[in-house]
Amino acid sequence: DVKVTQSSRYLVKRTGEKVFLECVQDMDHENMFWYRQDPGLGLRLIYFSYDVKMKEKGDIPEGYSVSREKKERFSLILESASTNQTSMYLCASSSQIDGYNEQFFGPGTRLTVL
Amino acid sequence: GQQLNQSPQSMFIQEGEDVSMNCTSSSIFNTWLWYKQDPGEGPVLLIALYKAGELTSNGRLTAQFGITRKDSFLNISASIPSDVGIYFCAGQLYQGAQKLVFGQGTRLTINP
Repeated sequence: DVKVTQSSRYLVKRTGEKVFLECVQDMDHENMFWYRQDPGLGLRLIYFSYDVKMKEKGDIPEGYSVSREKKERFSLILESASTNQTSMYLCASSSQIDGYNEQFFGPGTRLTVL
Repeated sequence: GQQLNQSPQSMFIQEGEDVSMNCTSSSIFNTWLWYKQDPGEGPVLLIALYKAGELTSNGRLTAQFGITRKDSFLNISASIPSDVGIYFCAGQLYQGAQKLVFGQGTRLTINP
C-alpha cells in the first residue's frame, strides 16, 4: 500500500514562530507537493519538488519555503507564521514513470496560528 | 493559477439517490482524475481516466473522460452515508506534466 505520512495531524502555533511541517513517502516517488486547502478555494499549490534539492514555486509560495534533502522527505517551512496561514496543509507525491501524474496524498496537517 | 470549473459546489441528497457532478475547462487535458476527501483526511484517488471518451467504473462510481478532452463527469449510484465528503476533479495538461490542476470540489451531504 502506498503511503504518505505527515508529522502532525493538528498543530497550534503563535504568530511569529517558525513552523516546520514534515512529509515522508515510502513509494520512491520523484515528485512531492505541498498544498493548502481553504473552504471554497479548493487545493492551492504552494511548492513542489521533482528531485532531491530541486524545488519550484507553485501558485502561492509567499511566506513559505521548502526543503528536500532526501528523496522520501519534503518539508514545508513557515519562516514567521501569521494568522492568515491558518489552514489545512496537504502533502502529496507522484511518480514520473510513464508521464502520468497520479498524486497520492497524506492525511493533512491542520495548522492554527494564534 | 489555473483551476477547473467544478459543479455543483455542494449537494444535499437523500440516501439511495444517484449523484452526478462534473468538471469543465477551456483547456484540453491529457488525464482526468477524481478524488474523494473524507472529513479531516487527505484526498484519496477514486478513478483515473487516460483517453478521450473513456468510461471507467469503480463499484458504484462511474467516471467519463469527455470526448473533447475539456470535461469529465463522475456519477455515484445508490448513495450511502459513507459517500459523504468532498469530491475533487483534477487534470493533467499534458503527459509528463508534473502538476495537476484541481477543481474547487463538490461537497456531498447525505440525509439518511
